[in-house]
Order: sequence, then structure tokens, then C-alpha cells
Amino acid sequence: QVQLVQSGTEVKKPGASVKVSCKASGYTFTDNYMHWVRQAPGQGPEWMGRINPNSGVTIYAQKFQGRVTVTRDTSISTAYMELSRLRSDDTAVYYCARGPGNWGQGTLVTVSS
Amino acid sequence: QSVLTQPPSVSGAPGQRVTISCTGSSSNIGAGSDVHWYHQLPGTAPKLLISRHSNRPSGVPDRFSGSKSGTSASLAITGLQAEDGGDYYCQSFDGSMWVFGGGTELTVL
Repeated sequence: QVQLVQSGTEVKKPGASVKVSCKASGYTFTDNYMHWVRQAPGQGPEWMGRINPNSGVTIYAQKFQGRVTVTRDTSISTAYMELSRLRSDDTAVYYCARGPGNWGQGTLVTVSS
Repeated sequence: QSVLTQPPSVSGAPGQRVTISCTGSSSNIGAGSDVHWYHQLPGTAPKLLISRHSNRPSGVPDRFSGSKSGTSASLAITGLQAEDGGDYYCQSFDGSMWVFGGGTELTVL
């Protein structure tokens, strides 16, 4: 079955960067886009961007342009999301999603001085 | 500020029917984009409940149904059960981007 397993909780200081990984299994990694979605405490999900694992082409939400970078390593079926210049309002659970039906378990990123 | 608008909360007694609305615009739902609905419990990832306006993934009871008209979509839940409580989100597309509602908290009285 499809599984997306993400890296663990991160605590970062303002101004730092964070890189979250998402390891896929149970399907051909290069067959589907991988999306990144975040959810701040008490708020709805917010789409950040996606990558075509086959070509490496990315699309980002305008809000995150210049701060987010999504990459992939096809040899280990893993996608990565790096967010730079972290602020306190970046505190959220970050999810990878293959599509509406397959989400990772989420990675809590806390930004605090 | 979410792109799609949902009521913050709804409630109903066990066995009753509730509906949750999701209002978008001509650039997302009104453009013919698919609408998906999710159910989320605290500390867990959103779980797909309805895909492409009205399709239930395997394992989702037929008490859940979805519809779409114009720039809006709706989720209906009949025969409310205690385990239906939690947060519900709608999601559509604006071009290549996913857009979400702010969520509706369902309380089963």
C-alpha cells in the first residue's frame, strides 16, 4: 500500500532553515506529483508547492516564492521541502501528499527563540 | 484567510442530518475544478472523505455525500454518529494550486 513517511519534529530559531523529508513506498515514485501542505495551529491547510518527481519541475505558491525549495532524490524515492528565513508564524505541521488520498503523517516544525 | 469559505462550526444530534457548505469563486470551484472533502481528527493528517465532488473512497460510509453547483460545494452527513465529530475541510484547485477552506468543526451533541 502507498506510504509516505516523513522526518521527525524540528525546533528552529527565527531566521534559520528547516528541511523536511518524505519517503515514499508502495508505488512508482516518479508517476505522481508530490505536494507540500502546511497547517498552522487551529487553521486550515495551506498548499505550499509541488514537484514532478520525474522531471524535477516545481511550482510554488506565491506566498512562499523565494523561501521554499522542493527537491527529490529518485534513487531513494524521497522528496524534500526546505523553508528558509523561518519566522514564528511558520510554526505548523508540514505534510507531503501524493494526492488527495495519500498524505504523510506530518512533521511539526516549531519556530521559537 | 482561506481561499474557500466554510462555516466555522455546525452541530447535530445523533441520527440527524447536517450539511457543510464550501464557497469558492470563478477561478476555482466555478472554473469546473474538482472538489474534495477531508475529515481530520486532532493530531492526525486530513483523511479523504469525498473526491471529485461526490465520490466516496473505499471504506467511507454512504452516510457521506457531496455535491457541487456553480461556485459552491456541499457535504452532507446523514445518520450522525459520535465518531463523525472533528474538523471538515473542502479543497479545490486554482490552476495548478490546491486551495482549501478554513475548516468546519462538527460537534455531535
